[in-house]
Parts: sequence; C-alpha cells; structure tokens
Amino acid sequence: DGGITQSPKYLFRKEGQNVTLSCEQNLNHDAMYWYRQDPGQGLRLIYYSQIVNDFQKGDIAEGYSVSREKKESFPLTVTSAQKNPTAFYLCASSDGTGGSTEAFFGQGTRLTVV
Amino acid sequence: AQSVTQLDSQVPVFEEAPVELRCNYSSSVSVYLFWYVQYPNQGLQLLLKYLSGSTLVKGINGFEAEFNKSQTSFHLRKPSVHISDTAEYFCAVSVLNTDKLIFGTGTRLQVFP
Repeated sequence: DGGITQSPKYLFRKEGQNVTLSCEQNLNHDAMYWYRQDPGQGLRLIYYSQIVNDFQKGDIAEGYSVSREKKESFPLTVTSAQKNPTAFYLCASSDGTGGSTEAFFGQGTRLTVV
Repeated sequence: AQSVTQLDSQVPVFEEAPVELRCNYSSSVSVYLFWYVQYPNQGLQLLLKYLSGSTLVKGINGFEAEFNKSQTSFHLRKPSVHISDTAEYFCAVSVLNTDKLIFGTGTRLQVFP
C-alpha cells in the first residue's frame, strides 16, 4: 500500500527533552511537509522540503529541526526550545511539480508534554 | 507572503440543506487553490483544486467551489449535505512554481438530522 506513515500515533514527553517524530512515504514524492495543528489555528507550516538534502523554514520553525537525508524520510525533532510543543503534528508529501498537485497526509502524531 | 482566511470557524446546518464555506486568500503572486477535508483524528484528504481554466471546480462527495479572482475568493458549496459531511474543512493555497502549501484556520461543518 502506498502512503505516508507517521509514528508513533501518541507521544508523551517530559519538559526539557527533545523528541523526534517519524514520517516515511513510499509514494516516491519529492516534496515533504510538517504541519502543526492546534484548535482554532488550522495547520501551520513548520518546515518543508522540495528535494533530498534541502529544506526551508515555514511560518513557525523556531524550536524545531528537520533533516532530509533520504527521499522517503523527513523526521521532525521537537527541541526543548519549543515553548509550547503539545499539539497534533501532521506530515504530508506531494510529487513536487511546482505546487499544482495534491498533498497526501499521514494520520498524525499527537504530542503531549507532561 | 501568502495568507488564507476562512471567515467562519463553525457552520451548523440541517441535513439536506445547502451549505457554503467561505475562503479568501491574499497573495502578491499567482497561486493554486485547494479544499481539503479532515475527519476526527485523521490526516487531510483532497476535496478539489483549482489550477486554471473554468472557475467552477467540481470535487468529490458532491462538493464544488468557485474561484473569483477579483474578490480573491474560493468558496466551497454543496447543494444538499449529509450527516457524513460533518468534518473540518480547510482551504489552502500553493504558490506557483514552488511547493509551499499554506492552510487556513479551518471551518467545522456540523450537520444535524
């Protein structure tokens, strides 16, 4: 089955700890994205990558880091510098044809800081 | 910079009634326009998109949207809603020739029997 897999589905973290969210796709897509979703604020773009070994900051990149060493993988690290990390995180991918094609989404990871 | 405004955070409607979910965007460059739907605790799936051509776009599940360049709007409509349409709906823009995809704040459609 082709698609995007995010893991884990639920994640708990203690304050001050870094945590990495996994995102893998087998759609052979060039572009990948990370969004944060909070009630009433929609999806806010954290980082996106158009190609391997390259990525751009979105609107709320502070306190987050990413890597794109492989085409199929785009992990997101939530660092201790992120002041309010509790949220629902969504990963997506598209075939990168200049923005005209559909983005496919994973099922999300719900991160809770305790 | 680009932005997307969804004017209604919640839209309650009775089953079989028509509905319109409003979306306005702001961009200094040309964009593509999309509507996505999200069911609880799920990712998003595409309803429809406007790239060019006819300003009336038809999507899945009986939804359609009309692009209005002068008003920078892309409102979503359905002539008769079902209970199963209860979900959150997101309008999005993608800047031409980039892969940057920006979403609005979402509209929660609640369909009552």
